[in-house]
Amino acid sequence: EAQVTQNPRYLITVTGKKLTVTCSQNMNHEYMSWYRQDPGLGLRQIYYSMNVEVTDKGDVPEGYKVSRKEKRNFPLILESPSPNQTSLYFCASSPRDTGETQYFGPGTRLLVL
Amino acid sequence: GESVGLHLPTLSVQEGDNSIINCAYSNSASDYFIWYKQESGKGPQFIIDIRSNMDKRQGQRVTVLLNKTVKHLSLQIAATQPGDSAVYFCAENKQAGTALIFGKGTTLSVSS
Repeated sequence: EAQVTQNPRYLITVTGKKLTVTCSQNMNHEYMSWYRQDPGLGLRQIYYSMNVEVTDKGDVPEGYKVSRKEKRNFPLILESPSPNQTSLYFCASSPRDTGETQYFGPGTRLLVL
Repeated sequence: GESVGLHLPTLSVQEGDNSIINCAYSNSASDYFIWYKQESGKGPQFIIDIRSNMDKRQGQRVTVLLNKTVKHLSLQIAATQPGDSAVYFCAENKQAGTALIFGKGTTLSVSS
């Protein structure tokens, strides 16, 4: 089944404790992206990747890192999480650039205490 | 700043009615628009898309209309069903290789 998977789905952590949210897609998509979703603010892009070893900042990249060593994986790294990073995170992928439909993962709900 | 927004945060309809969800965009250079549906606890799901060289596109029970003159996008759902209850987002792509810009969403509630 073609899909985007994220892990973990739910995470509670404390300020400053490094964490990684994994994202994987099995559709051989070149483009991958991370979004955060907050009440009243909608979906905002954090980082995106056009292909392996090519990443770029989205609208809200502060406090996040990403890497794209393989085509299928695009982990989101929070080196020192803070409470304002409490949010619902979505990974998405698409065949080429953002002119193509993006397929979203199920989401990761993060709480930073 | 430039953004994609929706006219109404909520819309309530009766089962069987036709629903119309509206969206206004600000960048006349945008060339690709998508409607997504997000059910509670799930990620956004693609519904239908349209490119700027079209003004109408139809899917199964859904139609997207694009009015470039007034920079307006709408999603029409025919014979709305309780399973259509969700948050609907429009998204805009200004140019190839850049981010999709999402609107804030309209919550559609369908009562039977």
